[in-house]
Amino acid sequence: DIVMTQSPLSLTVTPGEPASISCRSSQSLLYRNGDDHLDWYLQKPGQSPQLLIYLGSNRASGVPDRFSGSGSGTDFTLKISRVEAEDAGVYYCMQALQTPRTFGQGTKVEIK
Amino acid sequence: QAQLMESGGGLVKPGGSLRLSCAASRFTFSDYYMSWIRQTPGKGLEWISYISNSGDTIYYADSVKGRFTISRDNAKNSLYLQMDSLRAEDTAVYYCARDRLHSGNYFDYWGQGTLVTVSS
Repeated sequence: DIVMTQSPLSLTVTPGEPASISCRSSQSLLYRNGDDHLDWYLQKPGQSPQLLIYLGSNRASGVPDRFSGSGSGTDFTLKISRVEAEDAGVYYCMQALQTPRTFGQGTKVEIK
Repeated sequence: QAQLMESGGGLVKPGGSLRLSCAASRFTFSDYYMSWIRQTPGKGLEWISYISNSGDTIYYADSVKGRFTISRDNAKNSLYLQMDSLRAEDTAVYYCARDRLHSGNYFDYWGQGTLVTVSS
């Protein structure tokens, strides 16, 4: 199975400031068509996970443009340009190249 | 937008069985693959099974293979997970999710989850 490793595991951010989360995979997630099969999800307190970014850098419907995904191969980053209070929660990366799809451990983001 | 609602969770003894259901609405259920994903405090999020839109392709994680059975009824817009020979380590919140397999491979809608507790 592909192992996903996130860092940091927790992050405290001031509203209006940027935030960045790293995700590394044990194998390249680059598919032969040039897509990186890496997704980002956010689980807000008391809620189920919600899709933020798919195929490495594509924002899901309704996701604010302050969220961006980048990277390729084995190293990926989720950036929030200006954190808002509603962005608190746990962020997960997930590789979608191989079955079983596997998730990172999660990064807990707290807002000051 | 699409809605998913799980039901059927509860407390069950080790070795027991439970059947989870997932009711889908506001999208054409028969057009989509569906998955079950579980979440535990210790292991985090774990994908456990998917089923194709027609039901003829099914995959399981090794951790549940031979014990869990995924199925669907497109006429009823419903997804199911039959869980047999339950173990303490199956204790988790179980989510159904719409699966965009072969179209990006992401989960674009999730239900609210149903808690399964395996304990004597």
